[in-house]
Amino acid sequence: DIQMTQSPSSLSASVGDRVTITCRASQSISSYLNWYQQKPGKAPKLLIYAASSLQSGVPSRFSGSGSGTDFTLTISSLQPEDFATYYCQQSYSTPPHFGQGTKLEIK
Amino acid sequence: EVQLVESGGGLVQPGGSLRLSCAASGFTFSSYEMNWVRQAPGKGLEWVSYISSSGSTIYYADSVKGRFTISRDNAKNSLYLQMNSLRAEDTAVYYCARDAIVGATSAPAFDIWGQGTMVTVSS
Repeated sequence: DIQMTQSPSSLSASVGDRVTITCRASQSISSYLNWYQQKPGKAPKLLIYAASSLQSGVPSRFSGSGSGTDFTLTISSLQPEDFATYYCQQSYSTPPHFGQGTKLEIK
Repeated sequence: EVQLVESGGGLVQPGGSLRLSCAASGFTFSSYEMNWVRQAPGKGLEWVSYISSSGSTIYYADSVKGRFTISRDNAKNSLYLQMNSLRAEDTAVYYCARDAIVGATSAPAFDIWGQGTMVTVSS
């Protein structure tokens, strides 16, 4: 199985900050990496697919980069609605494991 | 509107069984692969099972293999998860999620999710 490790596990930031979340795969997954946002009591929502492609309707302040084993999700200017938990997921092979999540909190 | 709606969750005793359903609408269900993903209270996302569009290919997480069975009825636009020999550690919100090749890439992603149904295993 390919394991996914996110860092940090939690992060405090302010509105307007630039934030970066990292995801590392235990082996190369090319660009088969997705990012999801989950708000409390809600289902996850796809933000970024194939490492760097923005899902339709997702604001352009979200961006993704990386390939191989190291990936990042960047939010260029945090908005109040961005405070949530973010998960990476590899779609290179089964099982399509998720990272453990990064909880983004208001400072 | 593209939508997935889960049902069938509830309280069940350890060792018991439960069948979850996921009703799809707004898209051609028979063309898509589907998954079940669960989330224990306060925990992260855990992939549970996958089924191909025709139902011919199925995968399970090791944690549920031999106890859970995924199936689908394309005529009814429905996905199912039969859960047997339930344990306390199966307590979670269960989501169904559509598996799609999004955009112009060849990379799959879970692009549509249901709202989830809660399963509680407790005596």
